[in-house]
Amino acid sequence: EIVMTQSPATLSVSPGERATLSCRASQSVSDKLAWIQQKPGQAPTLLIYGASTRAAGVPARFSGSGSGTEFTLTISSLQSEDFAVYYCQQYNNWYTFGQGTKLEIK
Amino acid sequence: QVQLVQSGAEVKKPGASVKVSCKASGYTFTSFAMHWVRQAPGQRPEWMGWINTGNGDTQYAQKFQGRVSITRDASATTGYMELTGLTFEDTAVYHCARDSSGNGWMYYLDYWGQGALVTVSS
Repeated sequence: EIVMTQSPATLSVSPGERATLSCRASQSVSDKLAWIQQKPGQAPTLLIYGASTRAAGVPARFSGSGSGTEFTLTISSLQSEDFAVYYCQQYNNWYTFGQGTKLEIK
Repeated sequence: QVQLVQSGAEVKKPGASVKVSCKASGYTFTSFAMHWVRQAPGQRPEWMGWINTGNGDTQYAQKFQGRVSITRDASATTGYMELTGLTFEDTAVYHCARDSSGNGWMYYLDYWGQGALVTVSS
């Protein structure tokens, strides 16, 4: 099983600032990496797939990068609605998820 | 627009079974596979299995083999996940999600249901 490890567990950032979230895979997943946003009581939302392609309707302030085992999600200028939990998910070999990064208001 | 609307919260006793539904709309149901993912409190999401909504073929994560059954009713554009032999460790939110690739292979999940909380309590 491919183990996905996210860091940090919690990230405190002020609105308008940049946030950088990391995700590491225990073995290469090529570019088969998605980022998912989850807010309490709501359906999870796909943000990024293919490591760097924004899903339809996702604002340009969200960007993804990386390949192989190291990936990054960057939110360039945080808006109030961006404070949520973010998961990375690999789909190269079955599906496994990271443990999540909680993005909170500083 | 694509929507996946799930059934409501359930409380079950240990040893019982639960069946969660996922009503799809806004797309051709039989053209996209449906997956089930659960998330226990404080745990990372965990993939359970999927169904080819066109022909009904299924595949399950080894952890749930023998306890999970994923089905669909194409006429009702609804998918179902039934889990038997519930234990306290099955307390979780259960999500359905659509496979972006269609029914071909496991690819990224592009739409998710809101989740159904299943609580196992004596």
